[in-house]
Formats: sequence, structure tokens, C-alpha cells
Amino acid sequence: AQSVSQHNHHVILSEAASLELGCNYSYGGTVNLFWYVQYPGQHLQLLLKYFSGDPLVKGIKGFEAEFIKSKFSFNLRKPSGQWSDTAEYFCAVKDTDKLIFGTGTRLQVFP
Amino acid sequence: DVKVTQSSRYLVKRTGEKVFLECVQDMDHENMFWYRQDPGLGLRLIYFSYDVKMKEKGDIPEGYSVSREKKERFSLILESASTNQTSMYLCASSLYSGEQFFGPGTRLTVL
Repeated sequence: AQSVSQHNHHVILSEAASLELGCNYSYGGTVNLFWYVQYPGQHLQLLLKYFSGDPLVKGIKGFEAEFIKSKFSFNLRKPSGQWSDTAEYFCAVKDTDKLIFGTGTRLQVFP
Repeated sequence: DVKVTQSSRYLVKRTGEKVFLECVQDMDHENMFWYRQDPGLGLRLIYFSYDVKMKEKGDIPEGYSVSREKKERFSLILESASTNQTSMYLCASSLYSGEQFFGPGTRLTVL
């Protein structure tokens, strides 16, 4: 079965700094990949998803992720973080009809 | 917009009580899921359902059961609540594409 690793458990940044959150999944083939975000007190919502095609995927709020098949990675990036990006971020991979989630990365962006 | 609602945002129960958590989705999705979310552990799948009256065990089904009598409603049941079931419970629904839509969560405390 698939598994997902998010190695950065807690990331602290200053506003305007670039951010990159890591995500690796366990084995290849055709994969569907997702990043979800949970803002404080809010429900999980989809940031972006990759099914096929262009490996650079753009999502909401200026986020993007790059699917690198050879590295089994789907890292989330944003050129310039904002205080409002403070949240918990979850990477997920589809496994049959389920999603396998990573343990999450807590991102804090300070003004 | 897809809407997934959960019956309670906060719930406090005593050890040994039977607890029902209700989830309703309004988008005619086939699949529904129950997760628990704990700090540092991410989202762990408890049970899921592909169709009415169908259920499948997830990764941590022990101590839980589910019921899906109607397509739009998926209930999670704690037959005899224990303190180690204190957690945030998230319901989600999806089509076959895999993208899941989440409810706001129920924070359950078992005393």
C-alpha cells in the first residue's frame, strides 16, 4: 500500500520568505496527488491536485507543487509567504478509492 | 458548492457512553469516510463506505462502527466511549476521482 512522508513537521518563516514543504510517496506508477490545508479553526480544504499532464500544478492562494516522478516527490511551494498562510498542510496520495495522508506540516509565518 | 455537515462541533461524553457522530453530504457522492485527527499523527482512516449499506474498515476501526442507511448520511458510532477516543473526528465525501470534501469536524472529549 502507498504511504506518504512529510519530513517537515513544523516550519517557521518570516513573511516574504519563500516556502517549500516536502512530500514523498512510497511507490510509483500512476499516482493522484493532493495538498490540503487546514487554517486555524477551519475545515480541511483542497489547495491543489495532480492527476496527469504538466507536472507543475498551480493551486489557490499562490501555491504550486511539482510532481517529480523520479524522486517520488510532490513538494509544495510558494515564492513569498504571508502571515495568512499560517496553517497545517497535508499531502495525500490516492490509493484505490482512499486517500493516504501524511502526518502534516505545521507552518507558522511571522510578520 | 459541496457541503459536508457534521452534527456537532464539540461533544463531551463520559466513559462507557454510546456516541453517535452524524455526517451528511449534499452532492450525491458515492464515497464517504470517517477519520480521526490527532496532533503529530495526521489523519487516520477509521471506516469508509462505497455505497449505501456498504462499509469497509480503514486503518484504525477498533472501537468504532458505522452505519450508512442513506446515500447522503454516514454515521460513526462509538459503542462504549473510552478516554483514548478523545480526538477530532472528520467526515469526508468524494466521487471516484479521489478528491475528498471535508466537514468542519467534531471535537470529542471523553471524560
